Amino acid sequence: DAGVIQSPRHEVTEMGQEVTLRCKPISGHNSLFWYRQTMMRGLELLIYFNNNVPIDDSGMPEDRFSAKMPNASFSTLKIQPSEPRDSAVYFCASSLGALRDSEQYFGPGTRLTVT
Amino acid sequence: AQKVTQAQTEISVVEKEDVTLDCVYETRDTTYYLFWYKQPPSGELVFLIRRNSFDEQNEISGRYSWNFQKSTSSFNFTITASQVVDSAVYFCAISGNTGKLIFGQGTTLQVKP
Repeated sequence: DAGVIQSPRHEVTEMGQEVTLRCKPISGHNSLFWYRQTMMRGLELLIYFNNNVPIDDSGMPEDRFSAKMPNASFSTLKIQPSEPRDSAVYFCASSLGALRDSEQYFGPGTRLTVT
Repeated sequence: AQKVTQAQTEISVVEKEDVTLDCVYETRDTTYYLFWYKQPPSGELVFLIRRNSFDEQNEISGRYSWNFQKSTSSFNFTITASQVVDSAVYFCAISGNTGKLIFGQGTTLQVKP
């Protein structure tokens, strides 16, 4: 079975440019999560969706970040405009079932570098 | 608010040694779930175990074992007879009523041959 798929795996962009990260969750999973990992802050939850509906976006750093889930098999995280401090690894994860007790399966991550 | 503390930032052992990774959590929820994830050098996060707050039985899976003690709010992870392939960053995490998974800062384990 395919796991969580993320693209691109690596992204290098210049400050001010728009960046779009993509995620395809595991088929049948009804929850999707976006995380950011940095050395300074560790793993942070940015936003999560349940049945394609955003449930909690309190972790989104600021208005430059937005996320969508137009259907059960696709989600995007967009940063516009990007800044050097956005450089991090962004993970997408999905899970099945009740939110708090379900293990989340992570994608391989997108390493974003903003110069 | 929930919190997970992994006090050990880095641990280095020699192959075949046993090693315990500590995890201490804080929560006000009566029902919660604890997790361990492994992040090998390749970068992906791999689920290892989930334990709910009502089940304090220890669990063993091959060379891995977990000790959950509510009295000390700890959920420690032991690797017996460590191997080089165990080298990774290990994260402890908790989820409660909000459903959010809160991670600790991680412990980097290096197993030397």
